[in-house]
Amino acid sequence: GAVVSQHPSRVICKSGTSVKIECRSLDFQATTMFWYRQFPKQSLMLMATSNEGSKATYEQGVEKDKFLINHASLTLSTLTVTSAHPEDSSFYICSARPSGSTDTQYFGPGTRLTVL
Amino acid sequence: QKEVEQDPGPLSVPEGAIVSLNCTYSNSAFQYFMWYRQYSRKGPELLMYTYSSGNKEDGRFTAQVDKSSKYISLFIRDSQPSDSATYLCAMSAGTYKYIFGTGTRLKVLA
Repeated sequence: GAVVSQHPSRVICKSGTSVKIECRSLDFQATTMFWYRQFPKQSLMLMATSNEGSKATYEQGVEKDKFLINHASLTLSTLTVTSAHPEDSSFYICSARPSGSTDTQYFGPGTRLTVL
Repeated sequence: QKEVEQDPGPLSVPEGAIVSLNCTYSNSAFQYFMWYRQYSRKGPELLMYTYSSGNKEDGRFTAQVDKSSKYISLFIRDSQPSDSATYLCAMSAGTYKYIFGTGTRLKVLA
């Protein structure tokens, strides 16, 4: 149980294009999902908290117009990196908190984004 | 000062050894303490979840929380080469926002 999937697992795109990453909770409903970014050999940095049916809450320093988050259902959240640039290349990981649970998060396998 | 401090390693141990991984923190509001294991290029996998102080055991893994010292530990008994990974501690004050340590790279040598 508590499986979270991400799609795609890896994406390479040209500078200036937009990329959408999907995060799905497969066997539970998640009122809240989180998006993290991880640079090589560094820890996870929270980018934003996504609540179903409402606007995402972004961490300080994260551009909300660049990283668009949509949480349209209890099992799906999407992160769109708009007008991607090479400095956006990173490992993006989502997590989901089961609805009604205590403070537990289950993580997806991550998406490796490379912007050329 | 970072909210959560964790030695990045790498930590190399022989197979069968007892491994001790630690994190310290500064925010006394943290109540939930987690340990995750992350293999290269994969997402973190939840190993242990502890609320408040005390010990929790699950198979070869034991998590300890000492809130008075702001110190948490993860012990791995009878370590195996398959335990080689990065171990991340994470903490929360109950607001669902996790603060992660930098992770400790562990290598278990066969």
